[in-house]
Amino acid sequence: GAVVSQHPSWVICKSGTSVKIECRSLDFQATTMFWYRQFPKQSLMLMATSNEGSKATYEQGVEKDKFLINHASLTLSTLTVTSAHPEDSSFYICSARGVTGGPLHFGNGTRLTVT
Amino acid sequence: KQEVTQIPAALSVPEGENLVLNCSFTDSAIYNLQWFRQDPGKGLTSLLLIQSSQREQTSGRLNASLDKSSGRSTLYIAASQPGDSATYLCAVAGSGGSNYKLTFGKGTLLTVNP
Repeated sequence: GAVVSQHPSWVICKSGTSVKIECRSLDFQATTMFWYRQFPKQSLMLMATSNEGSKATYEQGVEKDKFLINHASLTLSTLTVTSAHPEDSSFYICSARGVTGGPLHFGNGTRLTVT
Repeated sequence: KQEVTQIPAALSVPEGENLVLNCSFTDSAIYNLQWFRQDPGKGLTSLLLIQSSQREQTSGRLNASLDKSSGRSTLYIAASQPGDSATYLCAVAGSGGSNYKLTFGKGTLLTVNP
């Protein structure tokens, strides 16, 4: 089956630093990837939609200059949290849709803790 | 704006019981509805997907129903097992061009006691 690999699975960083999270589709090509954020006991909230080779579309209230998304190939999208602050601590999950459509496939998520 | 509500927020049952998880959504113009399972600190596993034209889907001990007009879905788990313990998430996909943008509920935390 289709597999989405997310790396790292957890990361701890100091306030003010930047963190990059990778989302890879391992056995299929993904034209579209989605980035979600989940705070404790809250639902997953869509942050942005990234399409290969074009700029990401951000949801209302999500700062595009803070959460940089790059989808440079059909198998890789990256989310960079710039100048991270403790309030950015959350669980970030990506999902991917294949070029032929079909269901979304989710990564295992990245637990970000900013100290 | 679509809103998805899941009831109950948490549920604890003894092993072997049949149980029902509820999901409601405010905008009936959906493309599909999915039920996911999420284990602690992990990603999502898709359990069942119901297209807007369908009424139910079944997979093993799981059965999901959809009543689009009333904005409701239920996930029925038969003969629950301790391994079923997880958070169950309901998500709806909007119709039209946004049919891959999912709106999630907060989930139901299920604990099945041996």
